[in-house]
Amino acid sequence: RKEVEQDPGPFNVPEGATVAFNCTYSNSASQSFFWYRQDCRKEPKLLMSVYSSGNEDGRFTAQLNRASQYISLLIRDSKLSDSATYLCVVNKEGSGYALNFGKGTSLLVTP
Amino acid sequence: GAVVSQHPSRVICKSGTSVKIECRSLDFQATTMFWYRQFPKQSLMLMATSNEGSKATYEQGVEKDKFLINHASLTLSTLTVTSAHPEDSSFYICSARQGASYNSPLHFGNGTRLTVT
Repeated sequence: RKEVEQDPGPFNVPEGATVAFNCTYSNSASQSFFWYRQDCRKEPKLLMSVYSSGNEDGRFTAQLNRASQYISLLIRDSKLSDSATYLCVVNKEGSGYALNFGKGTSLLVTP
Repeated sequence: GAVVSQHPSRVICKSGTSVKIECRSLDFQATTMFWYRQFPKQSLMLMATSNEGSKATYEQGVEKDKFLINHASLTLSTLTVTSAHPEDSSFYICSARQGASYNSPLHFGNGTRLTVT
């Protein structure tokens, strides 16, 4: 089983739509969780951390369910500029706290 | 502005040559940096963890003699792809953690797109 699994999509949604991405992780001892965004042929950029109680940043809401080892990202009122690949990221065991990345979910927001 | 600088952003080289990629943390010291590789339509895969002043830790399946890592200072790590072959063509990205907590953000360089002909 892969350490971080995501639905690859693509998700094609109209502007203004609400879209949700899901992610599961295999290591129950994982401690830190993030959503990164990656534009085509660019480096990943941190979108938001994910906290146990759930957290919101503007139009973005992240949820964590430790019992189910499940992470979600909700995007409300989608904008054209939200089109990108969204990477679910979980810390990797061992020293240095490297990160394990999911394959990413592709989102295309259309006019 | 960028907090991690990676150079070069793109390199094309002939098979058998070596390529060095630099990764610098700007305005902060990074005792640990990470090197990732990403093939088209694949996830970022951790290659190695670079530790300042000591040997790098390589992930399973990554050849340490082929991917030489040097982390000689708190702001600079280098990855050298030795005797590159076409199958080494990929997007190489370095990252550094700003802060000591496991929740501290991981900043990425802008990546190096390597093409071996």
